[in-house]
Amino acid sequence: KNEVEQSPQNLTAQEGEFITINCSYSVGISALHWLQQHPGGGIVSLFMLSSGKKKHGRLIATINIQEKHSSLHITASHPRDSAVYICAVTNYGGATNKLIFGTGTLLAVQP
Amino acid sequence: DSGVTQTPKHLITATGQRVTLRCSPRSGDLSVYWYQQSLDQGLQFLIQYYNGEERAKGNILERFSAQQFPDLHSELNLSSLELGDSALYFCASSSNWGPSPLHFGNGTRLTVT
Repeated sequence: KNEVEQSPQNLTAQEGEFITINCSYSVGISALHWLQQHPGGGIVSLFMLSSGKKKHGRLIATINIQEKHSSLHITASHPRDSAVYICAVTNYGGATNKLIFGTGTLLAVQP
Repeated sequence: DSGVTQTPKHLITATGQRVTLRCSPRSGDLSVYWYQQSLDQGLQFLIQYYNGEERAKGNILERFSAQQFPDLHSELNLSSLELGDSALYFCASSSNWGPSPLHFGNGTRLTVT
């Protein structure tokens, strides 16, 4: 079993829909990252969080440390949000960004 | 633009050869990380350097080595290349050695034929 699990693996949405991507992890962590990878391959860091909730534009990330679970929400989705979204965790006690990655969620937003 | 520069963008080479991938971190960032993304293994952490010193090692093969120079740029050396080494290699940087926001380069796509 992977230490970081994401669901769903694939997601198709219509433009304007509210989207949720989930991430569960089985190890102690010091931080959790949400990353976005576009078809061209480049990776962009969306959020790093260790508690609570963060918001940036139409993106919201939440984390529940007790339940070892995080969610990434996209409000008013747009075709340009189509990408792979990757959850990654920094293992607790590792004072580095030695990330353990999930397998990603492929999101396609149709106009 | 993340401010992290990776060269080259693409590299095609034959089995048994040696290549060097280069990364210049974002201005002011002291940590550099290398990651490998392959179709079968997904994204994996290889190695981290902080201000010239190795800080952490992940699933890096003995045929691979890296270093960070005084000007903070880093190089990843891959030798005795095998077909299975074909992958996207990403470099990322951050301001310090602990958990902190990462800034990724655009990656180097290595194809071993």
